[in-house]
Amino acid sequence: KQEVTQIPAALSVPEGENLVLNCSFTDSAIYNLQWFRQDPGKGLTSLLLIQSSQREQTSGRLNASLDKSSGRSTLYIAASQPGDSATYLCAVSKSGYSTLTFGKGTMLLVSP
Amino acid sequence: EAGVVQSPRYKIIEKKQPVAFWCNPISGHNTLYWYRQNLGQGPELLIRYENEEAVDDSQLPKDRFSAERLKGVDSTLKIQPAELGDSAVYLCASSLTPAFSYEQYFGPGTRLTVT
Repeated sequence: KQEVTQIPAALSVPEGENLVLNCSFTDSAIYNLQWFRQDPGKGLTSLLLIQSSQREQTSGRLNASLDKSSGRSTLYIAASQPGDSATYLCAVSKSGYSTLTFGKGTMLLVSP
Repeated sequence: EAGVVQSPRYKIIEKKQPVAFWCNPISGHNTLYWYRQNLGQGPELLIRYENEEAVDDSQLPKDRFSAERLKGVDSTLKIQPAELGDSAVYLCASSLTPAFSYEQYFGPGTRLTVT
């Protein structure tokens, strides 16, 4: 059974810092990996999707990398802002299927 | 383009009462998912539909939960009777096709509180 782990569980940084969120998964037979953002009381917003054949994806200040063989992904946030405060969730889909297995998330707080 | 729509946004009921949640996916998305998210946890799949067919309901507690997607568009998830442990956020998501694992888009969720 696929298990997804996110470290750290919570992170607090001052505005302007660059930061890295980590995600690891136990079964490397994934089809893709998605990073989501969840604001309190809200649904999930997709940030980046990396296909298993890709190594990284970038969107604005966000960069996600994938090392499928080692079962790891990182989400890099450059020049963090208070508006980045949210919970970030990593999820993987199994090869050939689209059901996502999620980690528990990293709660990020960026203080002004 | 409208996103995934869910209603109601919040629901408070007493245990043993029935409750229903509604979801309208993004237009043209043939795959629909219902997830449950407990506090401090990631979402977990309850059921996945491809058009009107439930293709993965292995995690759906069938003794009290039911779901339908009659015309392959909107969907309803029902709980009867509700238990205290059902308090959670119920999320609906949709995507274009499962074969290529397209990106999933989530609705705002329904927060259920069972007292």
